[in-house]
Order: sequence, then structure tokens, then C-alpha cells
Amino acid sequence: GEDVEQSLFLSVREGDSSVINCTYTDSSSTYLYWYKQEPGAGLQLLTYIFSNMDMKQDQRLTVLLNKKDKHLSLRIADTQTGDSAIYFCAETGQTGANNLFFGTGTRLTVIP
Amino acid sequence: ETGVTQSPTHLIKTRGQQVTLRCSSQSGHNTVSWYQQALGQGPQFIFQYYREEENGRGNFPPRFSGLQFPNYSSELNVNALELDDSALYLCASSLAPSGGDEQFFGPGTRLTVL
Repeated sequence: GEDVEQSLFLSVREGDSSVINCTYTDSSSTYLYWYKQEPGAGLQLLTYIFSNMDMKQDQRLTVLLNKKDKHLSLRIADTQTGDSAIYFCAETGQTGANNLFFGTGTRLTVIP
Repeated sequence: ETGVTQSPTHLIKTRGQQVTLRCSSQSGHNTVSWYQQALGQGPQFIFQYYREEENGRGNFPPRFSGLQFPNYSSELNVNALELDDSALYLCASSLAPSGGDEQFFGPGTRLTVL
């Protein structure tokens, strides 16, 4: 079955870059996602990458995918206090379907 | 355009009771997925409905059931509640059940089972 793993906590200083890492097991996943969850809120899609890509950049966000190692990372440049939240990596479990399998989440704390 | 809404926001039940949670999809979306998020965990896929039919199910027992209505709104029903059912229940709607179709999440219903 699908298994997505993330480290639980990350602290960075405001203005530094944050790198959140994720490993996954299902090599058939066609899409890999990063979601953000703020306290008391639902999930907000930040970005996603198609499995045949190795990098995607979207403003302050850079996603790197190493398909051989099944490793996904999210880099946030110039991290701000508003970036403090829980970040979830997710994969689609079956080719062509969009049900998601999530990691346990990484709690990012930005220190002013 | 109205986003995904869920009701109620919070709910307290006792063990053995039954509960119904509701979700209203984003306009134009015909696919709804339900997820359970236990405290400190990532969301876990319960099931998905597409055009009123179940279109995939995660590893949840049959006492978790659902419905999707012709207007694509949806219900999640849980029978014989257990303490471990305490969680945030999230629904998400999408245009279709295809891998590239973004899921838009509602704010969730927090269920507490005593």
C-alpha cells in the first residue's frame, strides 16, 4: 500500500529558505502534491508536480522530485511568519484517480 | 463562486451513536471525496463519490457509508461510533475523479466521541 513519510517539525528564521522533505512508496503515482494547513482550517493546495517532471517553480515555491529515490521536496524561499503551518505531501494512489494519500505533515515554525 | 462548505462545524456524540456529516461541493464539481484526519496525523481517504456512485474506498469499515445527491452535495454517515472515530472530517470536491483534477477542501467537521 501507499506510504508517505515526512519529518514532523522544522524551524527556520524569517527570511531564510525552508526545505520540507517527503518520501513515498507508490511508484505508479502520477501526481505528487504539497498542501498547507493552517490552524482550524482545511487544506490548501500549494503546488503539484507531474511524475515525469523533476522540478517545478512557482514564485517562492520550488518542488524537486527524485523519482528514482521516491523523494519529493518543497523549498520555500524568503520564508515569512505567515508561512507557519503544517505542510502535507500527498500522492495519488492509482493511475488516473485523484484520491490522495497524505504524509503525517511537517509543522513549519518561522521565527521572527 | 461558492467554495466547499461543511456542516456542522463541531459535533459531540457518545459511543454507539450514529452521525451524519454534510458537504456542499464547489459549483460545477461532480466528484466528492471524504477524508478522516485524526489529531496529529495526515488525512486518510475514506471514499469518493462520482455522479452519485461510490468510486473508490479506503481502508474503513462498512459502518462508514456515504451518499451523493443529484446536486452533487454529499453525506458521510458513521454508525456505532467508537472513541477512535474522534477526528476532523474533511470533504473535497473536484471537477472529475482524474489524477490531474485539483481537489478543493472544505474547512472540516470536528467530531468528538465521548
